[in-house]
Amino acid sequence: GEDVEQSLFLSVREGDSSVINCTYTDSSSTYLYWYKQEPGAGLQLLTYIFSNMDMKQDQRLTVLLNKKDKHLSLRIADTQTGDSAIYFCADRLRDSGGGADGLTFGKGTHLIIQP
Amino acid sequence: NAGVTQTPKFRILKIGQSMTLQCAQDMNHNYMYWYRQDPGMGLKLIYYSVGAGITDKGEVPNGYNVSRSTTEDFPLRLELAAPSQTSVYFCASSYSQSPLHFGNGTRLTVT
Repeated sequence: GEDVEQSLFLSVREGDSSVINCTYTDSSSTYLYWYKQEPGAGLQLLTYIFSNMDMKQDQRLTVLLNKKDKHLSLRIADTQTGDSAIYFCADRLRDSGGGADGLTFGKGTHLIIQP
Repeated sequence: NAGVTQTPKFRILKIGQSMTLQCAQDMNHNYMYWYRQDPGMGLKLIYYSVGAGITDKGEVPNGYNVSRSTTEDFPLRLELAAPSQTSVYFCASSYSQSPLHFGNGTRLTVT
């Protein structure tokens, strides 16, 4: 089955850029997502990219997709203390059976902000 | 819009007890999902539904049951609770292949 991998931790200084990386295995991915989870809360959709795009920018967030290498990254510019959270990469495969298999999630990257 | 609402927020069960985790959405989404989240393990899909009356197993369905009698509600049933079912449970919904919207979760402890 599909496998989505992320580093477990990333530590950055406040004001620097954070880059969170993700790799996936299935080339039939249709959409790839980034979710943010703050302590004790649910998952909040940050952004997503369609598989035929290379880049998507949304304010401080930049998503880069390298389909050849099956690599997705999320860059957060000017990282603030409020960005401290767990960031999940998730992959939606092409719907082959008319149903919805949900998303395959990575284990999440804990973003730690140093003052 | 309340979005996706899960109840209860917390629950402690004894081994062998049963309970139902409730999930309701008011966005008229046709697809609904149940995930469990264990520390350091990401989210695993338990069951999903593509519409009222239709449910399918996900990656980790054993020990759980679901029903989808209405578009709005997708309850998750645990019949004989086991310690391995201690987890945080998230319900989500989407309109077909659009992004998933998540509830705030139910934290379940089985002792």
